[in-house]
Amino acid sequence: SAVISQKPSRDICQRGTSLTIQCQVDSQVTMMFWYRQQPGQSLTLIATANQGSEATYESGFVIDKFPISRPNLTFSTLTVSNLSPEDSSIYLCSVARDSTDTQYFGPGTRLTVL
Amino acid sequence: KNQVEQSPQSLIILEGKNCTLQCNYTVSPFSNLRWYKQDTGRGPVSLTIMTFSENTKSNGRYTATLDADTKQSSLHITASQLSDSASYICVVSSGGSYIPTFGRGTSLIVHP
Repeated sequence: SAVISQKPSRDICQRGTSLTIQCQVDSQVTMMFWYRQQPGQSLTLIATANQGSEATYESGFVIDKFPISRPNLTFSTLTVSNLSPEDSSIYLCSVARDSTDTQYFGPGTRLTVL
Repeated sequence: KNQVEQSPQSLIILEGKNCTLQCNYTVSPFSNLRWYKQDTGRGPVSLTIMTFSENTKSNGRYTATLDADTKQSSLHITASQLSDSASYICVVSSGGSYIPTFGRGTSLIVHP
């Protein structure tokens, strides 16, 4: 298994601002993902973070709103831009060795937008 | 469309009792099914993983079953403890995609 940390663990932000979430893994991993979990809902995949290239976004998520960086095999950031109260959620980073491997999740970042 | 349905949505039991959580899926082609435990304020942690040929898998007091014919899985918790209070999420992976399908989870509360 992998040890994953996320920063910040929680934040309260004002409408119109942005929040950048960091995900750090203790070992090199092929696949990194960013998920959103809204209250009472299942996890929804935002995008797959690709090392050295643009992230692959799922339907309903766009790069302008959720820019992602992945400079190496152990680190990624997700920015949630132009925040609105609807962005209040838990954001989770996950990693996997390959596409068939179990995904290991970080502790999550709880975002509240006022 | 791939879907994973879990029941019940929430469950309250007394410490020491057993319980069973259900998961029905329509994911095709089926690759594997995982149960995750998510404590409040934490990320999900994998409990079990089962492939098509496996019909039962245990992890301590947790036992998962899989019926690939009826596309159903269950997670049985024996002798529940207060620390079992969490959300239990069923996740099904398809052979055609690396993106799994997540259920909404069952919220379990264990009372002393």
